[in-house]
Amino acid sequence: QQQVKQSPQSLIVQKGGISIINCAYENTAFDYFPWYQQFPGKGPALLIAIRPDVSEKKEGRFTISFNKSAKQFSLHIMDSQPGDSATYFCAASPVWEYIFGTGTRLKVLA
Amino acid sequence: GAGVSQSPRYKVAKRGQDVALRCDPISGHVSLFWYQQALGQGPEFLTYFQNEAQLDKSGLPSDRFFAERPEGSVSTLKIQRTQQEDSAVYLCASSADTGLGIHEQYFGPGTRLTVT
Repeated sequence: QQQVKQSPQSLIVQKGGISIINCAYENTAFDYFPWYQQFPGKGPALLIAIRPDVSEKKEGRFTISFNKSAKQFSLHIMDSQPGDSATYFCAASPVWEYIFGTGTRLKVLA
Repeated sequence: GAGVSQSPRYKVAKRGQDVALRCDPISGHVSLFWYQQALGQGPEFLTYFQNEAQLDKSGLPSDRFFAERPEGSVSTLKIQRTQQEDSAVYLCASSADTGLGIHEQYFGPGTRLTVT
């Protein structure tokens, strides 16, 4: 019940395309859903986050879509660039800690 | 400093040795978290501090793991009698709030621990 399931495990997208990463959760007590970007050898960096009372949030090329009834949320990266090539993690927070998904390795081809 | 800093960045320990990993959170941040990230996996929660109080240590994998934050700023994660399964990246994160509201966590670069 504490798990966050993330898919796909890896993703290859052409430059300029849309990258879509999906996450699902079971625990309805989760109330905060951030997305992190991690480059090799670096710590995770916060990209964008959403609360369950909002169905969509957009910041620049990054959009979170949230479906509370389905207990699913997704990250959309518009106009994907080679510099976006990294590992992306979704997370959910019940109280204070984050429970992370297993990550999606994104490669954007030039 | 502008962000969370951790030291050392890399640590190699022989099995059975004790290690201490340091975290300097963002100045003024009340909340501090430790996570463990195995290769190819997402970070997993270890422990949480609000100021100097350790409010949650439910994620510590064994009693060989110990964390402290005596003055409510710098934190140290100590691992006694290291085992090979302790090899991972240890991440520290800090947050400005008390943990009861919106809580954006900012991560440091991590310490990569290799136990040989």
